[in-house]
Amino acid sequence: QAQVVQSGAEVKKPGASVKVSCKASGYAFTKYGMHWVRQAPGQRPEWMGWINAGNGDTKSSPKFQDRVTITRDTSASTAYMELGSLTSEDTAVYYCARGHSPFLRDYFTHWGQGTLVTVS
Amino acid sequence: EIVLTQSPATLSLSPGEGATLSCRASQSVSNFLAWYQQKPGQAPRLLIYDAVNRATGVPARFSGGGSGTAFTLTISSLEPEDFAVYYCHQRSDWPLTFGGGTKVEIK
Repeated sequence: QAQVVQSGAEVKKPGASVKVSCKASGYAFTKYGMHWVRQAPGQRPEWMGWINAGNGDTKSSPKFQDRVTITRDTSASTAYMELGSLTSEDTAVYYCARGHSPFLRDYFTHWGQGTLVTVS
Repeated sequence: EIVLTQSPATLSLSPGEGATLSCRASQSVSNFLAWYQQKPGQAPRLLIYDAVNRATGVPARFSGGGSGTAFTLTISSLEPEDFAVYYCHQRSDWPLTFGGGTKVEIK
């Protein structure tokens, strides 16, 4: 069955960058999109961006456009999200979530377990 | 950006009762709306997509309705495992957005 497993928790200093990985298994990686969603404590989920794992196209939310880089390694069936210029407001759980299709405007059918990023 | 507003913020109900949750969009999203369930310490789980379609493995007591700007999630008879936070999500336009959530708690 399809599954996505994320890298472990991170603690970063303000101004640093963080890179979170998301390894997919149980499905054809390049046939779906991968999205990144974050959730600060007690807040609603917030969509950050997407990558078409097949052709590598990406799109990010305007809120993060200058700071986020989403990539993938098809040989490793792994997607990555790097967020730079961290502040305390970036403290959150970061999720990768597989799309229902390869496309940007999509639903999220399979979620990773979440990666807690603490900026302090 | 499309803003999704959920109501009520909290629903206090007993097992066996029915629940109706509301999600309103700031502009039409057609039927491109989903519902997710989230329990403490867990990732969200897709329940309903395209407003009315149950995701794989979702029990029939969950149903979705609506189109345009007004949507509902109905739980016909609450089971103990249904007490959680529910979020709506639109895929009609970029950036994708979520509602603020409705917490269904045990009365």
